[in-house]
Amino acid sequence: DTAVSQTPKYLVTQMGNDKSIKCEQNLGHDTMYWYKQDSKKFLKIMFSYNNKELIINETVPNRFSPKSPDKAHLNLHINSLELGDSAVYFCASSQGQVTGELFFGEGSRLTVL
Amino acid sequence: DAKTTQPNSMESNEEEPVHLPCNHSTISGTDYIHWYRQLPSQGPEYVIHGLTSNVNNRMASLAIAEDRKSSTLILHRATLRDAAVYYCILNRGSARQLTFGSGTQLTVLP
Repeated sequence: DTAVSQTPKYLVTQMGNDKSIKCEQNLGHDTMYWYKQDSKKFLKIMFSYNNKELIINETVPNRFSPKSPDKAHLNLHINSLELGDSAVYFCASSQGQVTGELFFGEGSRLTVL
Repeated sequence: DAKTTQPNSMESNEEEPVHLPCNHSTISGTDYIHWYRQLPSQGPEYVIHGLTSNVNNRMASLAIAEDRKSSTLILHRATLRDAAVYYCILNRGSARQLTFGSGTQLTVLP
């Protein structure tokens, strides 16, 4: 069973469209994250949720809106997509505060044309 | 935030030990040293972490300098499956700090 799963794995869309990426974890963790990996391979945190509550919101445009319906799910919705949004988006989860291990999904590659 | 410096790339022969260095001269007393690796087309994978003492697990060993300004990830016998980008990160217990730099691309030669 995949611990952290994301869908879709690939997403190609036009500028201005709205799209969503879904994430689910079956590890029983209480904290979930969205990371963005750019073309230079830098991986930067975007959001973090703990027990469905937003605890980290880095300097991300308002066009990005995370939603956590329950502890096991954290979805990412992006409005009015721009070329610069093209990247690989990773979902991750952990148990509690992060001094231990983060579990990452396989990533969702978003290409905006 | 304290930063880490790693070589851009390293090569190793299969079945030989690999020592991946990381400098973190501005580390604070509460920073944990974390290592992750990212295989091609996959998400990062946790390898090991430590605070002051050397650490061992089934994947690797982590050697931490006495002054904590540097650390070394040791893969005892490199395999082709160990070819990946290895990231050294400092973490004070907040996911906000878990921004991964460019890491070290490890190539394992058969």
